Amino acid sequence: AQSVSQHNHHVILSEAASLELGCNYSYGGTVNLFWYVQYPGQHLQLLLKYFSGDPLVKGIKGFEAEFIKSKFSFNLRKPSVQWSDTAEYFCAASGYSSASKIIFGSGTRLSIRP
Amino acid sequence: ETGVTQSPTHLIKTRGQQVTLRCSSQSGHNTVSWYQQALGQGPQFIFQYYREEENGRGNFPPRFSGLQFPNYSSELNVNALELDDSALYLCASSSPLDRSRSEQYFGPGTRLTVT
Repeated sequence: AQSVSQHNHHVILSEAASLELGCNYSYGGTVNLFWYVQYPGQHLQLLLKYFSGDPLVKGIKGFEAEFIKSKFSFNLRKPSVQWSDTAEYFCAASGYSSASKIIFGSGTRLSIRP
Repeated sequence: ETGVTQSPTHLIKTRGQQVTLRCSSQSGHNTVSWYQQALGQGPQFIFQYYREEENGRGNFPPRFSGLQFPNYSSELNVNALELDDSALYLCASSSPLDRSRSEQYFGPGTRLTVT
């Protein structure tokens, strides 16, 4: 079955701390991977995406993610978080042949202490 | 370039009633997908429309139905509302250039409360 797992439900960090949010997926065949962010009161925005090529992808606002095929993982990282990074983060996957159907993880709420 | 818009922003309905939610896709996008996001959960795929035809459906009962119009806007209809239908309903549109890898652009959502 196709699924995306995010193991951290709520992460609390201080400003300037480093961030890593875990994501594992189960998907047959070629997979496209995404990280979306939902800031309080705002709609879902794409942080970054992986379709093929370099497994280390860089996104907006200093975020990056690494695709590790052998571990079925796509973890999100940021070297130094800011208070404005407080948001809900969703990992998501879609298959190449039916790519428009996106399967989301349950999300990780990130709270940054000023 | 106009983004994805949805209406209404909030809606309160009573159990058993019917509701219609609307979505205008981003300019140039001919594919619209609908998702349900329950509180504390990630969005779940309901169905997708491509060139006015349903093109894939998630694990939702038939009382969830949709339409896509020639201008690529879309409606989501839910009949016989249940309390568990209370959620944020998201619409997303995507580009026709490469549907297999296209990025989806999400609207702000419609918050439906069923009492």
